[in-house]
Amino acid sequence: GDSVTQMEGPVTLSEEAFLTINCTYTATGYPSLFWYVQYPGEGLQLLLKATKADDKGSNKGFEATYRKETTSFHLEKGSVQVSDSAVYFCALRTGGGNKLTFGTGTQLKVEL
Amino acid sequence: DTAVSQTPKYLVTQMGNDKSIKCEQNLGHDTMYWYKQDSKKFLKIMFSYNNKELIINETVPNRFSPKSPDKAHLNLHINSLELGDSAVYFCASSHGTETNQPQHFGDGTRLSIL
Repeated sequence: GDSVTQMEGPVTLSEEAFLTINCTYTATGYPSLFWYVQYPGEGLQLLLKATKADDKGSNKGFEATYRKETTSFHLEKGSVQVSDSAVYFCALRTGGGNKLTFGTGTQLKVEL
Repeated sequence: DTAVSQTPKYLVTQMGNDKSIKCEQNLGHDTMYWYKQDSKKFLKIMFSYNNKELIINETVPNRFSPKSPDKAHLNLHINSLELGDSAVYFCASSHGTETNQPQHFGDGTRLSIL
Protein backbone atom coordinates (compact mmCIF):
# COMPACT_ATOMS: atom_id res chain seq x y z
CA GLY A 1 0.00 0.00 0.00
CA ASP A 2 0.89 3.67 -0.11
CA SER A 3 3.02 5.13 2.66
CA VAL A 4 4.86 8.31 3.59
CA THR A 5 7.89 8.51 5.85
CA GLN A 6 8.94 11.76 7.49
CA MET A 7 11.84 12.60 9.72
CA GLU A 8 11.10 12.42 13.42
CA GLY A 9 10.68 15.62 15.33
CA PRO A 10 10.75 17.90 17.07
CA VAL A 11 13.11 19.97 14.99
CA THR A 12 14.34 23.03 16.89
CA LEU A 13 15.99 25.88 14.97
CA SER A 14 17.07 29.42 15.62
CA GLU A 15 15.36 32.17 13.67
CA GLU A 16 16.83 32.68 10.19
CA ALA A 17 18.27 29.16 10.08
CA PHE A 18 17.87 26.91 7.05
CA LEU A 19 15.16 24.27 7.27
CA THR A 20 14.96 20.84 5.69
CA ILE A 21 12.27 18.31 6.57
CA ASN A 22 12.79 15.01 4.79
CA CYS A 23 9.92 13.10 3.22
CA THR A 24 10.04 9.89 1.21
CA TYR A 25 7.17 7.84 -0.13
CA THR A 26 6.11 4.54 -1.61
CA ALA A 27 3.12 4.47 -3.90
CA THR A 28 1.46 2.55 -6.69
CA GLY A 29 1.20 4.61 -9.82
CA TYR A 30 2.11 8.28 -9.99
CA PRO A 31 1.06 10.18 -6.91
CA SER A 32 0.52 13.86 -6.37
CA LEU A 33 2.50 15.11 -3.39
CA PHE A 34 1.51 17.69 -0.80
CA TRP A 35 2.84 19.47 2.26
CA TYR A 36 0.30 20.56 4.85
CA VAL A 37 0.96 22.71 7.92
CA GLN A 38 -0.91 22.59 11.22
CA TYR A 39 -0.49 25.56 13.56
CA PRO A 40 -1.26 24.99 17.26
CA GLY A 41 -4.96 24.44 17.85
CA GLU A 42 -5.86 24.76 14.18
CA GLY A 43 -6.71 22.54 11.25
CA LEU A 44 -4.47 21.60 8.37
CA GLN A 45 -3.64 24.13 5.69
CA LEU A 46 -2.26 23.26 2.30
CA LEU A 47 1.26 24.66 2.09
CA LEU A 48 2.32 23.50 -1.38
CA LYS A 49 1.89 20.71 -3.87
CA ALA A 50 3.52 19.04 -6.87
CA THR A 51 1.68 16.78 -9.27
CA LYS A 52 4.40 15.29 -11.47
CA ALA A 53 8.08 14.46 -11.46
CA ASP A 54 10.49 17.42 -11.27
CA ASP A 55 7.68 19.84 -10.38
CA LYS A 56 8.61 22.31 -7.67
CA GLY A 57 5.91 23.52 -5.31
CA SER A 58 6.49 26.77 -3.47
CA ASN A 59 4.63 29.03 -1.06
CA LYS A 60 5.54 31.50 1.70
CA GLY A 61 9.26 30.87 1.15
CA PHE A 62 8.87 27.08 1.43
CA GLU A 63 9.83 24.83 -1.47
CA ALA A 64 9.72 21.14 -2.29
CA THR A 65 10.68 19.30 -5.47
CA TYR A 66 9.04 16.07 -6.62
CA ARG A 67 11.95 13.64 -7.09
CA LYS A 68 10.70 10.46 -8.70
CA GLU A 69 14.14 8.81 -8.86
CA THR A 70 14.57 9.07 -5.09
CA THR A 71 10.82 8.99 -4.26
CA SER A 72 11.29 12.10 -2.16
CA PHE A 73 9.59 15.44 -1.56
CA HIS A 74 11.77 17.25 0.98
CA LEU A 75 10.53 20.55 2.38
CA GLU A 76 13.00 23.46 2.54
CA LYS A 77 13.04 27.06 3.62
CA GLY A 78 16.02 29.34 3.51
CA SER A 79 15.31 31.41 6.61
CA VAL A 80 12.73 30.32 9.17
CA GLN A 81 10.77 32.62 11.45
CA VAL A 82 9.23 32.07 14.86
CA SER A 83 5.83 32.18 13.15
CA ASP A 84 6.77 29.03 11.18
CA SER A 85 6.55 26.96 14.36
CA ALA A 86 3.98 24.28 13.57
CA VAL A 87 3.59 20.62 12.63
CA TYR A 88 4.34 19.84 8.99
CA PHE A 89 2.75 16.87 7.22
CA CYS A 90 3.88 15.32 3.98
CA ALA A 91 1.09 13.54 2.09
CA LEU A 92 0.39 11.78 -1.18
CA ARG A 93 -2.63 10.98 -3.26
CA THR A 94 -2.69 8.31 -5.98
CA GLY A 95 -5.04 7.62 -8.82
CA GLY A 96 -6.20 4.38 -7.30
CA GLY A 97 -7.82 6.01 -4.32
CA ASN A 98 -9.46 9.14 -3.15
CA LYS A 99 -7.72 9.62 0.15
CA LEU A 100 -4.65 11.45 1.33
CA THR A 101 -2.01 9.24 2.92
CA PHE A 102 -0.13 11.24 5.52
CA GLY A 103 3.28 10.97 7.11
CA THR A 104 3.50 11.10 10.88
CA GLY A 105 4.14 14.84 10.94
CA THR A 106 7.25 16.76 11.99
CA GLN A 107 7.03 19.39 14.69
CA LEU A 108 9.11 22.48 14.03
CA LYS A 109 10.04 24.90 16.82
CA VAL A 110 11.75 28.13 15.88
CA GLU A 111 13.36 30.13 18.69
CA LEU A 112 14.66 33.68 18.81
CA ASP B 1 -16.23 33.28 4.76
CA THR B 2 -15.20 30.04 6.43
CA ALA B 3 -14.54 27.37 3.79
CA VAL B 4 -14.93 24.14 5.79
CA SER B 5 -16.63 24.52 9.15
CA GLN B 6 -17.13 21.89 11.82
CA THR B 7 -19.28 21.98 14.92
CA PRO B 8 -18.72 21.64 17.75
CA LYS B 9 -15.07 22.60 18.14
CA TYR B 10 -14.84 20.81 21.48
CA LEU B 11 -16.89 17.85 22.66
CA VAL B 12 -16.49 16.36 26.13
CA THR B 13 -18.77 13.47 26.99
CA GLN B 14 -19.12 10.27 28.97
CA MET B 15 -18.29 6.80 27.76
CA GLY B 16 -21.33 5.06 26.26
CA ASN B 17 -23.00 8.23 25.00
CA ASP B 18 -23.98 8.92 21.38
CA LYS B 19 -22.77 12.13 19.73
CA SER B 20 -22.71 13.82 16.33
CA ILE B 21 -20.25 16.14 14.62
CA LYS B 22 -21.41 18.33 11.75
CA CYS B 23 -19.43 19.57 8.77
CA GLU B 24 -20.32 22.04 6.08
CA GLN B 25 -18.31 23.41 3.18
CA ASN B 26 -19.09 26.45 1.04
CA LEU B 27 -16.44 25.83 -1.62
CA GLY B 28 -18.77 24.14 -4.08
CA HIS B 29 -16.83 20.89 -3.73
CA ASP B 30 -18.45 17.55 -4.43
CA THR B 31 -16.21 15.30 -2.33
CA MET B 32 -15.95 15.30 1.46
CA TYR B 33 -13.94 13.33 4.00
CA TRP B 34 -13.54 12.51 7.66
CA TYR B 35 -10.08 12.01 9.13
CA LYS B 36 -9.06 11.03 12.67
CA GLN B 37 -5.94 12.48 14.31
CA ASP B 38 -4.70 10.60 17.34
CA SER B 39 -2.73 11.89 20.30
CA LYS B 40 0.54 11.45 18.41
CA LYS B 41 -0.77 13.65 15.59
CA PHE B 42 -1.12 10.74 13.17
CA LEU B 43 -3.85 11.35 10.59
CA LYS B 44 -5.89 8.58 9.03
CA ILE B 45 -8.81 8.62 6.60
CA MET B 46 -12.10 7.27 7.90
CA PHE B 47 -14.69 7.99 5.21
CA SER B 48 -15.08 9.77 1.91
CA TYR B 49 -18.21 10.78 0.02
CA ASN B 50 -18.44 11.89 -3.59
CA ASN B 51 -21.74 13.46 -4.66
CA LYS B 52 -23.37 12.06 -1.51
CA GLU B 53 -22.21 8.52 -2.28
CA LEU B 54 -19.86 6.67 0.06
CA ILE B 55 -16.62 5.85 -1.78
CA ILE B 56 -14.16 5.18 1.02
CA ASN B 57 -14.92 3.31 4.20
CA GLU B 58 -11.71 2.39 5.94
CA THR B 59 -11.54 -0.09 8.78
CA VAL B 60 -13.70 1.89 11.17
CA PRO B 61 -15.99 0.40 13.83
CA ASN B 62 -19.61 0.39 12.74
CA ARG B 63 -20.36 2.59 15.73
CA PHE B 64 -19.26 5.38 13.38
CA SER B 65 -21.87 6.29 10.78
CA PRO B 66 -21.39 9.13 8.31
CA LYS B 67 -24.31 10.83 6.64
CA SER B 68 -24.26 13.19 3.68
CA PRO B 69 -27.63 14.90 3.20
CA ASP B 70 -26.23 16.95 0.30
CA LYS B 71 -22.90 17.68 -1.35
CA ALA B 72 -22.12 20.52 1.05
CA HIS B 73 -22.61 18.55 4.27
CA LEU B 74 -21.05 15.46 5.80
CA ASN B 75 -21.97 14.61 9.37
CA LEU B 76 -20.48 11.95 11.60
CA HIS B 77 -22.53 10.13 14.22
CA ILE B 78 -20.82 8.00 16.84
CA ASN B 79 -22.70 5.48 18.99
CA SER B 80 -21.61 4.04 22.32
CA LEU B 81 -18.51 6.19 22.66
CA GLU B 82 -15.37 4.50 23.99
CA LEU B 83 -12.21 5.90 25.59
CA GLY B 84 -10.24 5.11 22.43
CA ASP B 85 -12.47 7.44 20.42
CA SER B 86 -10.78 10.42 22.05
CA ALA B 87 -9.07 12.25 19.20
CA VAL B 88 -9.36 15.23 16.91
CA TYR B 89 -11.71 14.63 13.99
CA PHE B 90 -11.15 16.64 10.83
CA CYS B 91 -13.56 17.18 8.01
CA ALA B 92 -12.16 17.99 4.57
CA SER B 93 -13.44 18.62 1.06
CA SER B 94 -12.08 18.67 -2.46
CA HIS B 95 -13.18 19.30 -6.00
CA GLY B 96 -13.62 15.87 -7.49
CA THR B 97 -11.45 12.85 -6.85
CA GLU B 98 -8.52 13.68 -9.13
CA THR B 99 -5.14 13.15 -7.54
CA ASN B 100 -3.96 16.71 -8.16
CA GLN B 101 -6.82 18.29 -6.26
CA PRO B 102 -5.85 19.37 -2.74
CA GLN B 103 -8.15 18.77 0.17
CA HIS B 104 -9.29 21.67 2.33
CA PHE B 105 -9.61 21.00 6.03
CA GLY B 106 -11.78 22.30 8.81
CA ASP B 107 -10.36 23.33 12.18
CA GLY B 108 -11.18 20.00 13.79
CA THR B 109 -13.45 18.74 16.56
CA ARG B 110 -11.61 17.77 19.74
CA LEU B 111 -13.49 14.83 21.25
CA SER B 112 -12.67 13.82 24.82
CA ILE B 113 -14.27 10.78 26.42
CA LEU B 114 -14.41 10.72 30.21
